[in-house]
Amino acid sequence: DAGVIQSPRHEVTEMGQEVTLRCKPISGHDYLFWYRQTMMRGLELLIYFNNNVPIDDSGMPEDRFSAKMPNASFSTLKIQPSEPRDSAVYFCASSSLGDPNYGYTFGSGTRLTVV
Amino acid sequence: SQQGEEDPQALSIQEGENATMNCSYKTSINNLQWYRQNSGRGLVHLILIRSNEREKHSGRLRVTLDTSKKSSSLLITASRAADTASYFCATGTYSSASKIIFGSGTRLSIRP
Repeated sequence: DAGVIQSPRHEVTEMGQEVTLRCKPISGHDYLFWYRQTMMRGLELLIYFNNNVPIDDSGMPEDRFSAKMPNASFSTLKIQPSEPRDSAVYFCASSSLGDPNYGYTFGSGTRLTVV
Repeated sequence: SQQGEEDPQALSIQEGENATMNCSYKTSINNLQWYRQNSGRGLVHLILIRSNEREKHSGRLRVTLDTSKKSSSLLITASRAADTASYFCATGTYSSASKIIFGSGTRLSIRP
């Protein structure tokens, strides 16, 4: 397996524009997580899905953020409109509680810069 | 909000020495995990310890868990330059074992 795949790796956009981040989890993993990492706030859980269903979105900062998982192999995190304070590294991770060693597998992240 | 707090925030040691990082958390947990993050990369899962376990080993890693003190430690023995990274603890609760909350991390630097 190629691991968790995120795209794009880097995104620079102007304030007010729509940004869409993409994630392909590991095949067979039934949980998918979106995290945001900044120096000031560390790693924040934004939302997670189980079997494509959103379970907890309490970490989504504002209505400008939305996430979808239309099928088991794809998820998106959308920010509309984007603001400079959204600049961060966004990570997607997947896991399976059925894995006896259970742990998250992270993607390489998307570094978002909003100017 | 962050559940775990690592201590120290930064640690610099000589190659070959042992590195110990600590994690304290606030609420009862189902499991505690340790992750490594190299600069500019995603996090890598190192080891998981369940609440009914007290110690676990994986290669040069040793993790302990003291649920009475709500704390855990990660020991890396015979450190190498490649161990330079940030290390995070993360906790899962009984009500939501699948959802883990990360601490603030320890930045470990190994001097050659």
